[in-house]
This record gives sequence, structure tokens and C-alpha cells, in this order.
Amino acid sequence: EPEVTQTPSHQVTQMGQEVILRCVPISNHLYFYWYRQILGQKVEFLVSFYNNEISEKSEIFDDQFSVERPDGSNFTLKIRSTKLEDSAMYFCASRLYWSEKLFFGSGTQLSVL
Amino acid sequence: GESVGLHLPTLSVQEGDNSIINCAYSNSASDYFIWYKQESGKGPQFIIDIRSNMDKRQGQRVTVLLNKTVKHLSLQIAATQPGDSAVYFCAENSQTSGSRLTFGEGTQLTVNP
Repeated sequence: EPEVTQTPSHQVTQMGQEVILRCVPISNHLYFYWYRQILGQKVEFLVSFYNNEISEKSEIFDDQFSVERPDGSNFTLKIRSTKLEDSAMYFCASRLYWSEKLFFGSGTQLSVL
Repeated sequence: GESVGLHLPTLSVQEGDNSIINCAYSNSASDYFIWYKQESGKGPQFIIDIRSNMDKRQGQRVTVLLNKTVKHLSLQIAATQPGDSAVYFCAENSQTSGSRLTFGEGTQLTVNP
């Protein structure tokens, strides 16, 4: 069964450093997402991406965050200057249409020290 | 703002019993709902979905019920097994929320042998 893949599975960084989280969505999907989950809390929406542009973003997704789809397969989330509170599990997700099943990757655990 | 939430944070059942996990939502425009299962350290795993033009949908050992009148969603798991132990989230989509899927708080299901 096709799946969303994310790398790395764990990322440790120093506060103020830039990180790039990588994702390969399911190949024929059209909508791409980043969510995050702080330990013990619910899954929070960050951003959605469709037709090579951001379609929606949450209040969390400030100027420190950016997304890119540099080629036909990868989808990245960049945090320019990480803060301690950015420590969380980051999930990439994709779906074929906006009101269809959303499939999640296994996540990248980001730890900011 | 609009929210999706769960009635109970934890549920403990005996192996073989049926489990019922509940979810309340507040957005009357919600038209698509998904239940996810999340095991520790993993991404949300799709279980079953339902659209607002339906009241009930069945899968393998799972049934989702939707009551639009009281904005209530439930997930029923038949003959619960130890492997069903996880956190269960409901999530909703609506045209007013664009393409984002909004998650509820989650219910921890523990199945005792």
C-alpha cells in the first residue's frame, strides 16, 4: 500500500538553528499538509499546500516556517530559527482531494535544545 | 472558534468487549469526518470515515455513527483486542475550514487481557 514517508525520524538541533524536515507524499496525491503534535496533546494543523502554493496556514505557521515542493516528489518544511517550543513531532500528510482520506507519515521527532 | 472534542480522555475495556468512543463537534458546517488510531511514537492511522449525508458506516470490526442533530460522532469497535489499545482521534473537515482537517483531543483506549 502506498505510504507517506518522512525523514529523518529524529532531529536534534540547537536553538536558533535552521532545520528542514522532508516528506515524500503518496505519488498521485494533490494536497499536502504539515501537522505537529506536542507530546500528549492533539494533532495541530500547520499548513496545507495545493497547486504549488500554500492554500491555508494556521496561527502557528509564522514567518519562521516555510514549505516547498522542490520537485515532483518531495515536500519540505523549513524552520529558519528554531525555538525551544518548536520541539514536537511533525507529521506530513497527503490526500488525493480535499475531502478525502488524509494519510499521515510516521513523523519526525524534533528536539530543540 | 470551531472545535472538535471528545467526551472522555480515557477508556478501559476487557478484551472481547465492545468499545464506544465518542466525539462532539461544534461546527454545523462539518461535512466529512474521520477516525484515526495513533499508537505510541507513530503517525495517525486512518480507521474509517463518514460523510454528512450518512448516519452510519461500517468497516471491519468498526462502525462510525453520526448524529448531526446533536453534532455527535462515535466509533464502535467490536470484540476489542489488545492490539486496539491506542489513542483515538476524531477529525473533521468542512467547506468553511478549507482543506484543513481539525482534530479532537483524543481518547486513550486500554484493552485489558
